[in-house]
Amino acid sequence: DAGVTQSPTHLIKTRGQQVTLRCSPKSGHDTVSWYQQALGQGPQFIFQYYEEEERQRGNFPDRFSGHQFPNYSSELNVNALLLGDSALYLCASNLVWQGTYEQYFGPGTRLTVT
Amino acid sequence: KQEVTQIPAALSVPEGENLVLNCSFTDSAIYNLQWFRQDPGKGLTSLLLIQSSQREQTSGRLNASLDKSSGRSTLYIAASQPGDSATYLCAVSVVKAAGNKLTFGGGTRVLVKP
Repeated sequence: DAGVTQSPTHLIKTRGQQVTLRCSPKSGHDTVSWYQQALGQGPQFIFQYYEEEERQRGNFPDRFSGHQFPNYSSELNVNALLLGDSALYLCASNLVWQGTYEQYFGPGTRLTVT
Repeated sequence: KQEVTQIPAALSVPEGENLVLNCSFTDSAIYNLQWFRQDPGKGLTSLLLIQSSQREQTSGRLNASLDKSSGRSTLYIAASQPGDSATYLCAVSVVKAAGNKLTFGGGTRVLVKP
């Protein structure tokens, strides 16, 4: 049973650049959520995708955007990178009709902005 | 706005001692509460999920309680081992028609000394 996978594992970018992170949900799941975790803090909700649409969004600027594909995989795009965007980006998936809404997390992508 | 707090932020205990980790939340209108474990630089591993209608959940040496009316949950880890050293995060889930999102506490960093 394939769990949540994310790529790449690590990424180094320069201020002002753009980055794309990728996530494949756990087998059978249809909903993908993205979280940002700064060092020493708990994860913060960025947004959630279901049926290829953004369903909920946290308090993040429009520089953060996403996409969900027909196979339920997802991308997180961040434009005009700032030093403060350096963080661990976590992807989580769940199955809407499961009832528990239990979210399963991937290993994360460590983004460093220099 | 839902806020989740975990106290203490760090905890150090000798091997064999029981661990008690606390989580409090401000809005009792939650769908469920999840406890996670995070090893340094890694993703989140789900430990226990408690539905809002439940009072507690158990798995092996782990037991989590939930008092929704007072906005509190406690994670008990019996007979701690050095391998239990990690950061423990609690998160509450709110489900709306648009989907669900997790709101996390800042975590409790646990060190179990041999």
